[in-house]
Amino acid sequence: DTEVTQTPKHLVMGMTNKKSLKCEQHMGHRAMYWYKQKAKKPPELMFVYSYEKLSINESVPSRFSPECPNSSLLNLHLHALQPEDSALYLCASSQGTGGADTQYFGPGTRLTVL
Amino acid sequence: EDQVTQSPEALRLQEGESSSLNCSYTVSGLRGLFWYRQDPGKGPEFLFTLYSAGEEKEKERLKATLTKKESFLHITAPKPEDSATYLCAVQAQSQGAQKLVFGQGTRLTINP
Repeated sequence: DTEVTQTPKHLVMGMTNKKSLKCEQHMGHRAMYWYKQKAKKPPELMFVYSYEKLSINESVPSRFSPECPNSSLLNLHLHALQPEDSALYLCASSQGTGGADTQYFGPGTRLTVL
Repeated sequence: EDQVTQSPEALRLQEGESSSLNCSYTVSGLRGLFWYRQDPGKGPEFLFTLYSAGEEKEKERLKATLTKKESFLHITAPKPEDSATYLCAVQAQSQGAQKLVFGQGTRLTINP
């Protein structure tokens, strides 16, 4: 089974709200990722967690705050977002080993910031 | 700089009309090349991982091949349900084990 789940599927929030996106995998993967995807563009990497530690932050604004409570869960906390942050947010996971490391993506959360 | 270029940007085919999508890459050490399929509003679905030049992989109507400079995704006798955006990505040694460099994708439409 190569399933990554994400909740919620859709989220509408105002610029003053605080919300969280959740991601879960039960494949025993040790690397987890957050991506942002705009329409007709490829996914854009935001954060990488490796063995539950933040290993890559692609200079993402502090209004996005990632959290990895355990090896199966990944959260993205959102606060004071801007309308331009509206996008499809994708979670992915991989084994986290060296060499070619296939990433498996979740279905995404469609975020709209009003 | 590591780079991935996909062509064409968009492709329309009739059902049953075979064709190929191209993914050209320049990287300073290839760990792996990946093909994904993405339907509108959904997450990318993994199709293939290719590791070295000369490698080929098949799945139903799809066949992926790899050379030292490019990869092809061959679609044989496509059906309307094959309509999607196909993304190519590389994992380069220079980028670290966990960063993918994506191409812009090819939007494929299969008309019945």
